[in-house]
Amino acid sequence: DTAVSQTPKYLVTQMGNDKSIKCEQNLGHDTMYWYKQDSKKFLKIMFSYNNKELIINETVPNRFSPKSPDKAHLNLHINSLELGDSAVYFCASSQGGGSGANVLTFGAGSRLTVL
Amino acid sequence: GQNIDQPTEMTATEGAIVQINCTYQTSGFNGLFWYQQHAGEAPTFLSYNVLDGLEEKGRFSSFLSRSKGYSYLLLKELQMKDSASYLCAAMDSNYQLIWGAGTKLIIKP
Repeated sequence: DTAVSQTPKYLVTQMGNDKSIKCEQNLGHDTMYWYKQDSKKFLKIMFSYNNKELIINETVPNRFSPKSPDKAHLNLHINSLELGDSAVYFCASSQGGGSGANVLTFGAGSRLTVL
Repeated sequence: GQNIDQPTEMTATEGAIVQINCTYQTSGFNGLFWYQQHAGEAPTFLSYNVLDGLEEKGRFSSFLSRSKGYSYLLLKELQMKDSASYLCAAMDSNYQLIWGAGTKLIIKP
């Protein structure tokens, strides 16, 4: 069974559309994240939720809205897609807390291409 | 500001040893992580150091010097499957991870 699963794996869409990426983890972790990895391979944190509560909200456009219906799910909705949103989006989870407890388990990634 | 530096790309030969360096500057420090990422795949956890010294785990070892803001990942007996990007990430005082851009390691036969 996949520990962190995200769908879809590939997403090709037109500028201006709205799309969602879903993420689920079956590890019993308390904390979930969304990361963006651009063409230069930097991993940038976007959001972090702990037990359904938002704890990190980096400077991302408010076109990006995360939703966590329960601690096993963290979905990402993107409105009015722009060319610069093209990237690979990774969902991740961790046990939470500080230090070594914060080993991240990543999903396989969702490659978004905006045309 | 907070920053992680690591080489963009390295090349090594199958069976050899390679050392990937990482320097970091963070506001506070709560540990240094190394992740491996094969092309088109998710990053996977390799190692965590919070105290100075060398941690050995099979063919992979990771070293930390907090006074120098420096870490390295040492890969021994290189195999073709070790071709991947290696990401260094430091955890700051707020337990947030600051990521490097990764070092792409190319293994040649």
